[in-house]
Amino acid sequence: DTAVSQTPKYLVTQMGNDKSIKCEQNLGHDTMYWYKQDSKKFLKIMFSYNNKELIINETVPNRFSPKSPDKAHLNLHINSLELGDSAVYFCASSHGGGETEAFFGQGTRLTVV
Amino acid sequence: EDQVTQSPEALRLQEGESSSLNCSYTVSGLRGLFWYRQDPGKGPEFLFTLYSAGEEKEKERLKATLTKKESFLHITAPKPEDSATYLCAASSGAGSYQLTFGKGTKLSVIP
Repeated sequence: DTAVSQTPKYLVTQMGNDKSIKCEQNLGHDTMYWYKQDSKKFLKIMFSYNNKELIINETVPNRFSPKSPDKAHLNLHINSLELGDSAVYFCASSHGGGETEAFFGQGTRLTVV
Repeated sequence: EDQVTQSPEALRLQEGESSSLNCSYTVSGLRGLFWYRQDPGKGPEFLFTLYSAGEEKEKERLKATLTKKESFLHITAPKPEDSATYLCAASSGAGSYQLTFGKGTKLSVIP
C-alpha cells in the first residue's frame, strides 16, 4: 500500500520535449506538493495545492504547470524541457498546511539530454 | 526569508559512537520543525515533528530536541543501518503550505 506514488520513477528525454509526471496519494490528505531536488540534494518547494486550489507557486518557469484533477492527484507537466530541468522531482502530501508532516513519494529522476 | 542551515554536511562515525546533528533555523513564527531521513534513490521518510522549544521526541536510537533557534538530532550508539542523509525542515507563518529544507547531513556509520 504505497501512500504517495509517482510515475514514472525514471524519465529520460530530449531537450524541447514535453513530459508529465503523475502523483497520487491514498492518505486522504487535502494538501499536495511538488518539490525539486537538485544535484546537490537540496530540496526546494515548487508548488502547493490545498483542496485542488493552488496555494504556492514559487519562482518556477511557467513551462512547469501543475494540475490537480482531484484532492488525491497532482500532476506536473513540463513544456519545452531544458538541460537545467534535470533533477529529481518529489511529490508529497499532508493534512492541512505546514503544521503537520508531509509524506513523500519515491521521486522521479528526470534527465534531459 | 526563512532559512534552515544544517551542520555538519557530512559525518562519519564508528558503530556505537554517539553524536549529534545540528539544524539552525531562522523563520518568522515557527509552526513546526521536521526531521526526515533520506536513503539514496528514495524519498524523504518522516521521523519527527517538534513544535515548541523544550520539546523532545525519541525513536529507537534517535532523539530530536528543539530550542528557539536550533534543533538537534542525537544519535545514540549508531548502527550501519542508520547511514543516510538526515534532513531538517521548518514551516512558518500562518497558513504556511511549504517546508523550507536544510541541505542535509550525510551520515555514514562504519562497522
